[in-house]
Amino acid sequence: AQSVTQLGSHVSVSEGALVLLRCNYSSSVPPYLFWYVQYPNQGLQLLLKYTTGATLVKGINGFEAEFKKSETSFHLTKPSAHMSDAAEYFCAVTVPYTGNQFYFGTGTSLTVIP
Amino acid sequence: DTEVTQTPKHLVMGMTNKKSLKCEQHMGHRAMYWYKQKAKKPPELMFVYSYEKLSINESVPSRFSPECPNSSLLNLHLHALQPEDSALYLCASSLLGEQFFGPGTRLTVL
Repeated sequence: AQSVTQLGSHVSVSEGALVLLRCNYSSSVPPYLFWYVQYPNQGLQLLLKYTTGATLVKGINGFEAEFKKSETSFHLTKPSAHMSDAAEYFCAVTVPYTGNQFYFGTGTSLTVIP
Repeated sequence: DTEVTQTPKHLVMGMTNKKSLKCEQHMGHRAMYWYKQKAKKPPELMFVYSYEKLSINESVPSRFSPECPNSSLLNLHLHALQPEDSALYLCASSLLGEQFFGPGTRLTVL
């Protein structure tokens, strides 16, 4: 079975500072990994995804994540936080062709301090 | 068309009402999902349809009844809901492992 752990349910950063949101996964087979962002009263928006190939993945709004198989991690980073980055972030994992089920982490609420 | 649409955006209903949520996608995806999401929590899987057949039911109470009339449409019929069922209901479709989410229906049960 797959599982996802997001360390830190709340993260605060100053505007312009580095954003680092942590995600570790458990999977017995190579997974697909995703980061979603959710703004208040909205649905989930895909930030970036890793399926195969290059392990450093770039997404929208200046975010990127690196798949590290040896560490079973897929941490999300952004060099410089903007006020508009304040939102809820979810990491998710799925194993393709095994029943279409997604496994979400518990989420990290990002606050950006002016 | 590369999006999942959901109607209505907001719904307020009493505990004796019957209502339905609708989800539509025209991307040719053959797997569709219903999720329930409480504030500041991850989405909880309710149902999965694969090729228009119910493949996963996560022990959801019978007051929630899903329906997949065709490959583009997914409904969630609601009857005799409880106040604790108030939440954001998300629909998604998937292709090759990636899920595409709709904007959700904000449901309030009075």
